[in-house]
Amino acid sequence: GAGVSQSPSNKVTEKGKDVELRCDPISGHTALYWYRQSLGQGLEFLIYFQGNSAPDKSGLPSDRFSAERTGGSVSTLTIQRTQQEDSAVYLCASSLEWSAGIQYFGAGTRLSVL
Amino acid sequence: GENVEQHPSTLSVQEGDSAVIKCTYSDSASNYFPWYKQELGKRPQLIIDIRSNVGEKKDQRIAVTLNKTAKHFSLHITETQPEDSAVYFCAASRETSGSRLTFGEGTQLTVNP
Repeated sequence: GAGVSQSPSNKVTEKGKDVELRCDPISGHTALYWYRQSLGQGLEFLIYFQGNSAPDKSGLPSDRFSAERTGGSVSTLTIQRTQQEDSAVYLCASSLEWSAGIQYFGAGTRLSVL
Repeated sequence: GENVEQHPSTLSVQEGDSAVIKCTYSDSASNYFPWYKQELGKRPQLIIDIRSNVGEKKDQRIAVTLNKTAKHFSLHITETQPEDSAVYFCAASRETSGSRLTFGEGTQLTVNP
């Protein structure tokens, strides 16, 4: 694909509901990252997938957050029992394994929890 | 883990002036330092990066300098234009498989016509 694709672009949900956010990385990129960006803030690392290795989940803020990556490509970030403080833009990025530092970002999913 | 601090948080300059944004990092093993530009409502985009084997890198009006001894790096934008207005993020990582970027808090740059 031309770039990292995320869906939906906007998601409004009620407190307590579960949400799923999707990320399609650039074709051939084996590394995939999820970040959270609250209003006016920097990028907070959530989770990282690299090939077939176990993901680095050290940034997930609570056990309500989980992510999976099926077939080494598409990833889904799931937030269970959403809270108002989960409202943020969730950004996905991907990179080539051989150059793990250069990350290309998707446009993000703006999540609003009412 | 790595900690990246970025200053200033806001910067306002006149068109044509230079802008400098500074970052410090804590992990002496970090060896890759990218800068991202994020326009309002848009995705972050890489504008320049530097690796620890060089001290300076330039790309037209943008330059980045790195001082590994002091563990700080800076973004320099010369001849600023209104379209340079955006939030700029610095980041640091160990450029190895399994690495992740740690970002600074961002600098809101405003270039006044």
